[in-house]
Amino acid sequence: EVQLVESGGVVVQPGGSLRLSCAASGFTFDDYTMHWVRQTPGKGLEWVSLISWNGGNTYYIDSVKGRFTISRDNSKNSLYLQMNSLRIEDTALYYCARNGGAGSGTYHFDYWGQGTLVTVSS
Amino acid sequence: QSALTQPASVSGSPGQSITISCSGTSSDVGSYNLVSWYQQHPGKAPKLMIYEGSKRPSGVSDRFSGSKSGNTASLTISGLQAEDEADYHCCSYAGSSKRVFGTGTKVTVL
Repeated sequence: EVQLVESGGVVVQPGGSLRLSCAASGFTFDDYTMHWVRQTPGKGLEWVSLISWNGGNTYYIDSVKGRFTISRDNSKNSLYLQMNSLRIEDTALYYCARNGGAGSGTYHFDYWGQGTLVTVSS
Repeated sequence: QSALTQPASVSGSPGQSITISCSGTSSDVGSYNLVSWYQQHPGKAPKLMIYEGSKRPSGVSDRFSGSKSGNTASLTISGLQAEDEADYHCCSYAGSSKRVFGTGTKVTVL
């Protein structure tokens, strides 16, 4: 059974830093591109970042470029999101999601974690 | 990249069919047949319902179907059931490896 379990969400002050983690199990982790997607309370979803199977390619939404860094450790079946210079508008539930289909050429999310809540507040 | 536009809410009676629209631009929905749809019940993670415009993952009811015309994608739920009451989100590939989600639609079963 595919499982994605996020952790690391806390309350942090504006300008602060945080690292989110996602522990994956039930599939061959290093076969898949992985994503972070966030959801503002009561609002829609927003794609944040992706990392290719080997970490060689990373992409970000413009609003987090230069502040967030996605990474992975395939030996630990884990995905990370380092979040620096946090802003109030980064407050959201952050989901880890698996790209649908191993390899490249697919553009949907087939499994999601339950999310970890990041609150940026003074 | 602006969010795709969805109606805030759609409602229908049990057994009826409803359609949720997802309007984008020629840079996202209009350029790629790569729209996916997600169902989200309160307090739960999103669940994939449709991918690549009209394909259903294994285990998803055939009451759910997807289509596209121009810059607008649509999700149709036929034979509406109480368990279909949830939020629905569309998502499109937007080029340069980026994805863009819709604003989300709350479906109410009357």
